[in-house]
Amino acid sequence: GAGVSQSPRYKVAKRGQDVALRCDPISGHVSLFWYQQALGQGPEFLTYFQNEAQLDKSGLPSDRFFAERPEGSVSTLKIQRTQQEDSAVYLCASSFSVTGELFFGEGSRLTVL
Amino acid sequence: QKEVEQNSGPLSVPEGAIASLNCTYSDRGSQSFFWYRQYSGKSPELIMFIYSNGDKEDGRFTAQLNKASQYVSLLIRDSQPSDSATYLCAVPSYTNAGKSTFGDGTTLTVKP
Repeated sequence: GAGVSQSPRYKVAKRGQDVALRCDPISGHVSLFWYQQALGQGPEFLTYFQNEAQLDKSGLPSDRFFAERPEGSVSTLKIQRTQQEDSAVYLCASSFSVTGELFFGEGSRLTVL
Repeated sequence: QKEVEQNSGPLSVPEGAIASLNCTYSDRGSQSFFWYRQYSGKSPELIMFIYSNGDKEDGRFTAQLNKASQYVSLLIRDSQPSDSATYLCAVPSYTNAGKSTFGDGTTLTVKP
């Protein structure tokens, strides 16, 4: 498809496990964003990339969270030693530019038991 | 005080009525404002954006911006049951445009 693709759509992890969430942006979109959305709340900014450069990671909750986009296309959000408070939907979005419309993927719902 | 605030609702209007959704923001330097619609269990999708003071119309949707009052609103005319969703206001940071702050959304229900 032509949209933003995220996988897995659903992930159940035991507390302490590491997880990796993948995002495949729309072809040609240079900007890629990660947001975290808790139930009943708006998306919270985590980090964003311009091509392969991570320009802002100020929203990452702790050093257990790590994101990369090594070739300026696919991105991976990694969460180490998951905790229950990490349970949320992780949304990836891409855009033609940093200031443009965000095109969101369907999200990856993480549940930490 | 949150950086972007919205009435959480729920807001319920009858079919055919006008729905009014409000958003206030704290960053006085903000230049652009986005409204996203999010259906239950789905991801947000853009409805409208506005940069200039005043009104911007697109079909049944009108965005209104008042930078002096730090207020942006979305009006939905002739509301339809398919408009039932959560509406999110998003404001990119003035100093870091890649970082958008979202409100918690207003849930709208349009009753047939």
